[in-house]
Amino acid sequence: NAGVTQTPKFQVLKTGQSMTLQCAQDMNHNSMYWYRQDPGMGLRLIYYSASEGTTDKGEVPNGYNVSRLNKREFSLRLESAAPSQTSVYFCASSGGTGLNQPQHFGDGTRLSIL
Amino acid sequence: GENVEQHPSTLSVQEGDSAVIKCTYSDSASNYFPWYKQELGKRPQLIIDIRSNVGEKKDQRIAVTLNKTAKHFSLHITETQPEDSAVYFCAASRQTGANNLFFGTGTRLTVIP
Repeated sequence: NAGVTQTPKFQVLKTGQSMTLQCAQDMNHNSMYWYRQDPGMGLRLIYYSASEGTTDKGEVPNGYNVSRLNKREFSLRLESAAPSQTSVYFCASSGGTGLNQPQHFGDGTRLSIL
Repeated sequence: GENVEQHPSTLSVQEGDSAVIKCTYSDSASNYFPWYKQELGKRPQLIIDIRSNVGEKKDQRIAVTLNKTAKHFSLHITETQPEDSAVYFCAASRQTGANNLFFGTGTRLTVIP
């Protein structure tokens, strides 16, 4: 049982390049999330998917797009990377019965934009 | 939207002493308050959470208290150990299907042996 798996773990891009961060969970969770973590700023929500087939913007969605490919997978795309997008990106999922179920995080993707 | 403030940003304690981290939130509709521990280079991991229908919750050396009237909640770690050294994040969310979390900016706790 791997939980939440993110790929890649590290990536260096040049300004203007595009890439997709992949996330998959094997806990049969309905909801999935993408956060970015910057020094001194905690985690900020980029996009989320409450259930398969739906996606919504979080606090800092500009410059990103997402796709909820199926119940297991939720990808984050940078169409034209900018140095301000240098960050650590975490995917999380939550689910189960009842409201306010805990979120479980992946190991993160450390992304540097030159 | 929700605004979560967390204090202090850094905290050093002697091994065996207690540590307290405090958070305030702005949205009176928030009703779920988890705490995460993040070791260097690792993922955030849930250590304890509390819902608005209770005022306190304990799990061994860790406890969380919630004051909904004042809109603040606190993490208490007793008998601290070196392995408690990490960054701790508080968070808050409303009761929605997606359970979107708003995080504080973190407290770096150092336990000195």
